[in-house]
Amino acid sequence: SAVISQKPSRDICQRGTSLTIQCQVDSQVTMMFWYRQQPGQSLTLIATANQGSEATYESGFVIDKFPISRPNLTFSTLTVSNMSPEDSSIYLCSVGGAYEQYFGPGTRLTVT
Amino acid sequence: QKEVEQDPGPLSVPEGAIVSLNCTYSNSAFQYFMWYRQYSRKGPELLMYTYSSGNKEDGRFTAQVDKSSKYISLFIRDSQPSDSATYLCAMNGGATNKLIFGTGTLLAVQP
Repeated sequence: SAVISQKPSRDICQRGTSLTIQCQVDSQVTMMFWYRQQPGQSLTLIATANQGSEATYESGFVIDKFPISRPNLTFSTLTVSNMSPEDSSIYLCSVGGAYEQYFGPGTRLTVT
Repeated sequence: QKEVEQDPGPLSVPEGAIVSLNCTYSNSAFQYFMWYRQYSRKGPELLMYTYSSGNKEDGRFTAQVDKSSKYISLFIRDSQPSDSATYLCAMNGGATNKLIFGTGTLLAVQP
């Protein structure tokens, strides 16, 4: 399994601002995934990030709100833009495939 | 209707008990079934995965899949206080890498 780190581990932000979350993996991987975990709700895939191409977003998530970068095979960033209190959530990155995905520790975001 | 349903609990059991955690699903295309354990303020940790129907055992953990009933289970034998966590089921049809998760069941094992 891969070792995944995320920065920051938590943050409190004001509405209208943006936060960039970093995800670092200890090995080269083709695909990285970004999920959101809201209180009382299931983990939901935001987008899939492949190195060298545009991220693929799931229904309900748009690039303007959640821009993603994937500059190399071990690193990705997710930006939460123009934040509102509804964006308060845990954001997680993961790597793997259809049946073995490994998750980072998550970034706990609170928007006030 | 959600694609995956999971009883949120909380479920409280005494140490040593057998725990049964369950999920139901509606999409017959799901082929891969996973169980994750998530401790408080940590990321989900993959416990085990099963392909199609059948059982899979790993130590004190047994995963069961009944595709005819669209029902999966995770059994924990001789439960320990260290098993106290949220357990998430997840599924995938195999055509993409998108996992569909249940909401998780909070388990507390009392010493």
